Amino acid sequence: EVQLVESGGVVVQPGGSLRLSCAASGFNFDDSDMHWVRQAPGKGLEWVSLINWDGESTYYADSVKGRFTISRDNGKNSLYLQMNSLRGDDTALYYCAKDGPGAFGLDSWGQGTLVTVSS
Amino acid sequence: QSALTQPASVSGSPGQSITISCTGTSSDIGGYNYVSWYQQHPGKAPKLMIYDVSHRPSGVSNRFSGSKSANTASLTISGLQAEDEADYYCSSYRSSNTYVFGPGTKVTVL
Repeated sequence: EVQLVESGGVVVQPGGSLRLSCAASGFNFDDSDMHWVRQAPGKGLEWVSLINWDGESTYYADSVKGRFTISRDNGKNSLYLQMNSLRGDDTALYYCAKDGPGAFGLDSWGQGTLVTVSS
Repeated sequence: QSALTQPASVSGSPGQSITISCTGTSSDIGGYNYVSWYQQHPGKAPKLMIYDVSHRPSGVSNRFSGSKSANTASLTISGLQAEDEADYYCSSYRSSNTYVFGPGTKVTVL
């Protein structure tokens, strides 16, 4: 069974930094592209970032480019999101998601970890 | 503000069919066959319902189907059931390996 478990979400002050983690199991992690998607309270989904299977290619939404860094450790079956210069509009539930069948479809999601940016 | 447009809400009676539209541009939906749809119940993680415009993942009911015409993708739910009441999001590949979600559509079963 595929499992994705996010952690690291806390309350952080504006301008602060945070690293989210996602522990993966139940599938060949090192064969899978991985995404971060976030959801502000009461709002819709927002794609944040993508990393390819070997970590050589990374992509970001304009809203986080230059502030967030996605990375992975295939030896530890783990995905990360380093978040710097946090702002109030970064407050959201952050999901990690596995790229699944076909060219585009996120077929497995974690339960999310909540990041709150507030003074 | 999302680059994709969805109706805020769609409703139907049990057994009926409903269709949710998702309109983008030639830079996303119109340019690629990389549209996916997600169902999200309150307090739960999203669930993939359709990928690559019209493909259903294993385990998803065949009451769900997807299509695309020009810059608009559509999700049709046939034989509407109470358990289908949820939020539905479309998503599309854009250029430069980025992706975009629609704002979501709340489906109500009357």
